[in-house]
Amino acid sequence: NAGVTQTPKFQVLKTGQSMTLQCAQDMNHEYMSWYRQDPGMGLRLIHYSVGAGITDQGEVPNGYNVSRSTTEDFPLRLLSAAPSQTSVYFCASPAPRDNSSGANVLTFGAGSRLTVL
Amino acid sequence: EDQVTQSPEALRLQEGESSSLNCSYTVSGLRGLFWYRQDPGKGPEFLFTLYSAGEEKEKERLKATLTKKESFLHITAPKPEDSATYLCAVLGSSNTGKLIFGQGTTLQVKP
Repeated sequence: NAGVTQTPKFQVLKTGQSMTLQCAQDMNHEYMSWYRQDPGMGLRLIHYSVGAGITDQGEVPNGYNVSRSTTEDFPLRLLSAAPSQTSVYFCASPAPRDNSSGANVLTFGAGSRLTVL
Repeated sequence: EDQVTQSPEALRLQEGESSSLNCSYTVSGLRGLFWYRQDPGKGPEFLFTLYSAGEEKEKERLKATLTKKESFLHITAPKPEDSATYLCAVLGSSNTGKLIFGQGTTLQVKP
């Protein structure tokens, strides 16, 4: 089935540790994005990419790094984790339908729950 | 700056008790308004896209409507399985490909 796959589902880190959240999509779309979701804050955009080799910052990019070497993969790196980065992270990419409208109907992964102690 | 506000934050209904969720938005050049459903521990799941004022879309017990300033998600005769968090998001012409989300409304339907 076409979709977005995220790993890991759960992760616990200590302050200062680094890690990478993986995201892969098989919908062959150029656009991919990372959101974080915190209670009462909704989903906030961290970084996004409009194609291989092209990335840009979203609303809350500080403390996160991304790269896009292939159409399929869009990893999110935390270089030095902080307790404020405790959150649920979602990767998203547009579904094949509705592309003609120009509007993005994002398909989300199942999420990665990160706890930073 | 594009902004989305959802109300109420939480809503408890009895099974069969119809109600509406509100999504107020401010956006320069609306390209689309999206409704998602999110179950606990899962990613948001797409429900509807609305593009222009006056548009309506329906799916089972849900109907989404759109005006120039807000959208409503009407739930008719809800069932316990409709319990979830409902998210609203907008795509504006000034934000290339970026969806701006509201905080969500958590709906609980009791049998």
